[in-house]
Amino acid sequence: AQTVTQSQPEMSVQEAETVTLSCTYDTSESNYYLFWYKQPPSRQMILVIRQEAYKQQNATENRFSVNFQKAAKSFSLKISDSQLGDTAMYFCAFMVPGTYKYIFGTGTRLKVLA
Amino acid sequence: EAGVTQSPTHLIKTRGQQATLRCSPISGHTSVYWYQQALGLGLQFLLWYDEGEERNRGNFPPRFSGRQFPNYSSELNVNALELEDSALYLCASSLRQGTDTQYFGPGTRLTVL
Repeated sequence: AQTVTQSQPEMSVQEAETVTLSCTYDTSESNYYLFWYKQPPSRQMILVIRQEAYKQQNATENRFSVNFQKAAKSFSLKISDSQLGDTAMYFCAFMVPGTYKYIFGTGTRLKVLA
Repeated sequence: EAGVTQSPTHLIKTRGQQATLRCSPISGHTSVYWYQQALGLGLQFLLWYDEGEERNRGNFPPRFSGRQFPNYSSELNVNALELEDSALYLCASSLRQGTDTQYFGPGTRLTVL
């Protein structure tokens, strides 16, 4: 069975600083997708970034980038130049293609401080 | 383009009652997914519907059921409500033959008293 672990329940960062959120997963599959979703206090989940396991290059989306280490089964999210609007719950998720079922971690609550 | 919509925003029921939650996917999306987000438990996959059929089911009892309509909207029904069913229920949609990325709605907060 696949599992996703987010070991940091809460984190805080000063505005304009950089923060890294950790995510590890366990699977015997070789092909899969990894995602980071953001859930602001308004509660609508928003896709932040997505990574296909067969791609060696780390995905980036503006201030958001990932460090994907397939052998270590690690998928961390780096937020650069943190903004107050980044305050949210961040969920790491895993999916095996064709199952269409996300497996989520328990989330990391990030607070950006002014 | 309109996103995934869910209704109602909040729902209050008592133990033993039935709850019906509704979801409209993004236009063009044929797959709808339901997740339960209970306090402290993260998101748990409930159900996946595509083209009107139930395609996958999470580890939930049969009193959690649903359906998908010809316009791809979906209902989640929870029968014989229990206190532990209190949670945020999130609906998501995706393209069936697409990128597997799911887009979420704002959720329905179900409170069971």
